[in-house]
Amino acid sequence: GAVVSQHPSRVICKSGTSVKIECRSLDFQATTMFWYRQFPKQSLMLMATSNEGSKATYEQGVEKDKFLINHASLTLSTLTVTSAHPEDSSFYICSATGGAVGYTFGSGTRLTVV
Amino acid sequence: GQQLNQSPQSMFIQEGEDVSMNCTSSSIFNTWLWYKQDPGEGPVLLIALYKAGELTSNGRLTAQFGITRKDSFLNISASIPSDVGIYFCAGHRYYGGSQGNLIFGKGTKLSVKP
Repeated sequence: GAVVSQHPSRVICKSGTSVKIECRSLDFQATTMFWYRQFPKQSLMLMATSNEGSKATYEQGVEKDKFLINHASLTLSTLTVTSAHPEDSSFYICSATGGAVGYTFGSGTRLTVV
Repeated sequence: GQQLNQSPQSMFIQEGEDVSMNCTSSSIFNTWLWYKQDPGEGPVLLIALYKAGELTSNGRLTAQFGITRKDSFLNISASIPSDVGIYFCAGHRYYGGSQGNLIFGKGTKLSVKP
């Protein structure tokens, strides 16, 4: 079946630094990728939608200059959290879809900003 | 962002019991999906429903797409310890010719009865 690989699974960074999270579709071409954020004991909240080769579309309230999304190829999207602060600590999950492949989720990245 | 109304929020199960949870929305969805999420992992698709009224089974799991397209339920029969986890419903909607996206319920947490 379709597989989405997300790395790293855990990252701890200092406040003020930037962190990049990668999301790869391993066996299909992901024309669209989605980035979600999930706080403890809460649901997944969509942050942005990106189509390959286009600028990402951000949900209301999500700062595009803080959460940089790049979807330069059909198998890779990256989310960069710039100038991270403790309140950015969360579980970030990507999802990809393309062709006959429906929404397939990565295993998530636990970001802790100290 | 918008969320679906999912209930119950949590429930305790005893091995062998049947479990039922549901989601409702004020909006119509094209597709209803049910996911299970284990701690520290991304959601894994359990069942996808594509047509109003559709009833679909996957092993001990059965889900239905409500006839009004505004609700769905998931039943788990004869529960076993590995059913423990958080279950999310998700509705998919197209808009403006785009890929569309998923809206998630708040989740139902299944735990084992003490």
